[in-house]
Amino acid sequence: SQQGEEDPQALSIQEGENATMNCSYKTSINNLQWYRQNSGRGLVHLILIRSNEREKHSGRLRVTLDTSKKSSSLLITASRAADTASYFCATSTSGGYNKLIFGAGTRLAVHP
Amino acid sequence: EAQVTQNPRYLITVTGKKLTVTCSQNMNHEYMSWYRQDPGLGLRQIYYSMNVEVTDKGDVPEGYKVSRKEKRNFPLILESPSPNQTSLYFCASSNLRTDLYEQYFGPGTRLTVT
Repeated sequence: SQQGEEDPQALSIQEGENATMNCSYKTSINNLQWYRQNSGRGLVHLILIRSNEREKHSGRLRVTLDTSKKSSSLLITASRAADTASYFCATSTSGGYNKLIFGAGTRLAVHP
Repeated sequence: EAQVTQNPRYLITVTGKKLTVTCSQNMNHEYMSWYRQDPGLGLRQIYYSMNVEVTDKGDVPEGYKVSRKEKRNFPLILESPSPNQTSLYFCASSNLRTDLYEQYFGPGTRLTVT
């Protein structure tokens, strides 16, 4: 089952611009996580937001969570060419630390 | 260095020839999991393990087996591989002693079954 669905599927921007990716999910969650994947490589955890949090920051990353709309967004500010990657949201359901459900991802291309 | 390792990284095999993909982590994590990644489908969980000798099915367990005899190792076994198991496989681990639940991923194993 695919819980998270990212939007857009692909995003192309210039260096210095901001990139926003959205994630929608279907059922109640315990937390929502964002991961980055460089081409064909393993996923790297970026940030986790709990269901009782609305916004979280980490460096150039800002994540928001709207549980009433079952949606989250990831904002990367002042993007760099090195941010080029696929970004996935993953949801963990209540008590579900045994299971993360991933969306299909957003492919971000940042052009110099 | 804290890491999850997988071997082999690339494997081409033929239908029906049993294979094992190894996964090892050096972080003393209780939780380990296997995922497969296919274009347009994201990552789908195959099996997971909460601790030694405790394993359970994920979303797509058919055609796969796992074992957890030691805390650090979680091999994925394909008894009789078929072409629809051609995919990119990831092992991941997580520390259950915190409530963060972030997962650490291995570098991936690209499997082709002909």
